[in-house]
Amino acid sequence: DVVMTQSPLSLPVTLGQPASISCRSSQSLVHSDGNTYLSWFQQRPGQSPRRLIYKVSLRDSGVPDRFSGSGSGTDFTLKISRVEADDVGVYYCMQGTLWPPTFGGGTKVEIK
Amino acid sequence: EVQLLESGGDLVQPGGSLRLSCAASGFTFINCAMSWVRQAPGKGLEWVSAISGSGDSTYYADSVKGRFTISRDNSKNTLYLQMNSLRVEDTAVYYCAKSWGSGRNPENWGQGTLVTVSS
Repeated sequence: DVVMTQSPLSLPVTLGQPASISCRSSQSLVHSDGNTYLSWFQQRPGQSPRRLIYKVSLRDSGVPDRFSGSGSGTDFTLKISRVEADDVGVYYCMQGTLWPPTFGGGTKVEIK
Repeated sequence: EVQLLESGGDLVQPGGSLRLSCAASGFTFINCAMSWVRQAPGKGLEWVSAISGSGDSTYYADSVKGRFTISRDNSKNTLYLQMNSLRVEDTAVYYCAKSWGSGRNPENWGQGTLVTVSS
């Protein structure tokens, strides 16, 4: 199975400051169809996961443009340009290129 | 608006069985692959199973293969997960998710239903 490794585990951030989460895969996530199926999910406390980003950098409808995804191959990043209080929660990357789909271990974003 | 409503979670003894349901609305159900993803208490996310829109293709994590069965009733817009030979380590919140890419890519998630396996 593809192993997804996220860092850091915990990310204390000052309101209004940027935040960055890294996600690395044990194999290339480029599918034979040319797409890279790397998604990012946000899970606020007590809530279900919500997809923010798919295919590395495409934002879901309603997701603020403060969130951006980038990367290629095995190395990916989720950036929040200016953290707001509403962004507190755990963020997961997930690969859907190879069976079975696998998630990173999560990064907990909290306010300093 | 996509809505997914899971039900069927309960407390069950090791070795027991349970069937989860997920009622879908707000999209053309038969056109969409569906998945189950679980989250053990205080832990991360684990993909469990997926099914194609027609129901012809199914996929399972090794941890549940041979014990869980995913199915769907497209006339009722409902997804199911039959869970047999349950183990303590199956304890988790189970989410159903509207998915694409044969079910490899969950997008919209339900609120989840809690399955507790304990004696």
